[in-house]
Amino acid sequence: SQQGEEDPQALSIQEGENATMNCSYKTSINNLQWYRQNSGRGLVHLILIRSNEREKHSGRLRVTLDTSKKSSSLLITASRAADTASYFCATGPYGSGNTGKLIFGQGTTLQVKP
Amino acid sequence: EPEVTQTPSHQVTQMGQEVILRCVPISNHLYFYWYRQILGQKVEFLVSFYNNEISEKSEIFDDQFSVERPDGSNFTLKIRSTKLEDSAMYFCASSEFPGQGRGYTFGSGTRLTVV
Repeated sequence: SQQGEEDPQALSIQEGENATMNCSYKTSINNLQWYRQNSGRGLVHLILIRSNEREKHSGRLRVTLDTSKKSSSLLITASRAADTASYFCATGPYGSGNTGKLIFGQGTTLQVKP
Repeated sequence: EPEVTQTPSHQVTQMGQEVILRCVPISNHLYFYWYRQILGQKVEFLVSFYNNEISEKSEIFDDQFSVERPDGSNFTLKIRSTKLEDSAMYFCASSEFPGQGRGYTFGSGTRLTVV
């Protein structure tokens, strides 16, 4: 499989529930980022976690990184209908620090029902 | 909140024609990028640009593609002779320093349709 694989591919939950999305990658990374994309729109940066960090929080978002398993998870707590979007993980390959290249996964489509 | 601006939002072009996609990155950002997303597929890296030169490009970014920063504000992607498979959403992005802090700011994209 390719760098940056998310699972599940699609997730449907009720408002107020938590949503967890996972991302796995293959090569060594410098950093891992999560982005949100509303239908037909651009990508919005959510959170960046460096390879030497294990957990990061931003508002209702919690990201974990396990470099030994080459995986990351994004948890959205107390979801809202407005969280409905596609979520992508993107890895900055080790050694890409000067070029900024990101490798994106296929994404998880999250639907939050009111 | 500063934005990355892309124009046009939608471009339809005939196969074989040249297109120029335009972007205005955030003014104090130093690194600029182009990505593309074919409908239903993942976002793919095309090129990164720093200090007025390409710092990395992907296999997709062949001789038909070029980038330019003609002045202090614009960043353009040119496709010399478009093919049907170039149809995609093209995103411009910029960052202060890659891999740090605030991540990258993406524009809303240009949907390119080659007919």
